[in-house]
Amino acid sequence: DADVTQTPRNRITKTGKRIMLECSQTKGHDRMYWYRQDPGLGLRLIYYSFDVKDINKGEISDGYSVSRQAQAKFSLSLESAIPNQTALYFCATSERTGPDTGELFFGEGSRLTVL
Amino acid sequence: GQNIDQPTEMTATEGAIVQINCTYQTSGFNGLFWYQQHAGEAPTFLSYNVLDGLEEKGRFSSFLSRSKGYSYLLLKELQMKDSASYLCAVDILTGGGNKLTFGTGTQLKVEL
Repeated sequence: DADVTQTPRNRITKTGKRIMLECSQTKGHDRMYWYRQDPGLGLRLIYYSFDVKDINKGEISDGYSVSRQAQAKFSLSLESAIPNQTALYFCATSERTGPDTGELFFGEGSRLTVL
Repeated sequence: GQNIDQPTEMTATEGAIVQINCTYQTSGFNGLFWYQQHAGEAPTFLSYNVLDGLEEKGRFSSFLSRSKGYSYLLLKELQMKDSASYLCAVDILTGGGNKLTFGTGTQLKVEL
């Protein structure tokens, strides 16, 4: 089983619908992140959380919200999806204690299409 | 803000050596990562540099010059499976932790 699991892996929805992407991890990491990836634009940070009580906006948070339900769970919501939110979304975790460098461990990605 | 530049595409021959450059301008710099990403898959960690110099790991090496805001990833003995996108990412200290800001990636094509 993957250490970082994203659901759903693929989703097609219509403009205006509410969508939630879920992420759960078994790595025991405190830090969790949501990125989106678009062709030619690379990975861009949407939101990040350093612990259950800590939520921070990334560079492209408009139109998104997040919830850190537990150390292991971090969900991303699109309250009213629009076509330019069509992208590949990645959840990631990290830790920086002992030998850990703070590298990101990624989930397998959630491909979202908004029609 | 953060600015990270890397070439969009590169082509190299199987068995050869290729160097992928990355330049950056950023505040709160705390290190630099290189990731490999095959099409449709998640990025996977290749290397991390926090001090100036060369880090070697098998066929892959990464170099960092903090004073010049410059890094490169060196791939030796190229194999067809090395065809992928290579992402340079700057580690930024922020609040109680860190976050990674990525360049747009370099698509490497390895040919026979």
